[in-house]
Amino acid sequence: GAVVSQHPSWVICKSGTSVKIECRSLDFQATTMFWYRQFPKQSLMLMATSNEGSKATYEQGVEKDKFLINHASLTLSTLTVTSAHPEDSSFYICSARGVIGNEQFFGPGTRLTVL
Amino acid sequence: RKEVEQDPGPFNVPEGATVAFNCTYSNSASQSFFWYRQDCRKEPKLLMSVYSSGNEDGRFTAQLNRASQYISLLIRDSKLSDSATYLCVFYNQGGKLIFGQGTELSVKP
Repeated sequence: GAVVSQHPSWVICKSGTSVKIECRSLDFQATTMFWYRQFPKQSLMLMATSNEGSKATYEQGVEKDKFLINHASLTLSTLTVTSAHPEDSSFYICSARGVIGNEQFFGPGTRLTVL
Repeated sequence: RKEVEQDPGPFNVPEGATVAFNCTYSNSASQSFFWYRQDCRKEPKLLMSVYSSGNEDGRFTAQLNRASQYISLLIRDSKLSDSATYLCVFYNQGGKLIFGQGTELSVKP
């Protein structure tokens, strides 16, 4: 299947700092990328959907000024957690959907720990 | 009522056992159902799609009951490597993937 990478795979940061997570589709063009967050023992929750070249659509309750999403090219989307706080500690997973078909391919996830 | 509900488990079973998970969904317009598997600290991976007529893939059998709004996953002859969390997933009416909380399975020797 198609390959999606995320970087970094894990990050530890101090409260108040910003963290950028990259999501790349390695062997296909991703017209749409999705960002999810998963807390321990809970389901994946969609945070936002981004289409290449346009503004992301955020789910209810997700602060767009805190979670900045950029999808500048067909192979790269970034999520920046601004002024991170301990409650933002979570597992962030991106997925990408190509031009053909509806299947989403998931990245390996980024584990964020905010001290 | 929650959009999707799964028994979180954990289900602790011996090797070779048969185990079944159910997942209920609240919106009858939901479509395209899947079972995903998620290992600890990893991303979810597609295990199999679920078709109305029921479908089988080796030791795994999935079924969809639209009238009662649930899907099921049956695992026969459990292996140690089957230990994981199994997620019920479907597309909602708006075209978004909805994930269940997951059912944790632990297969013991």
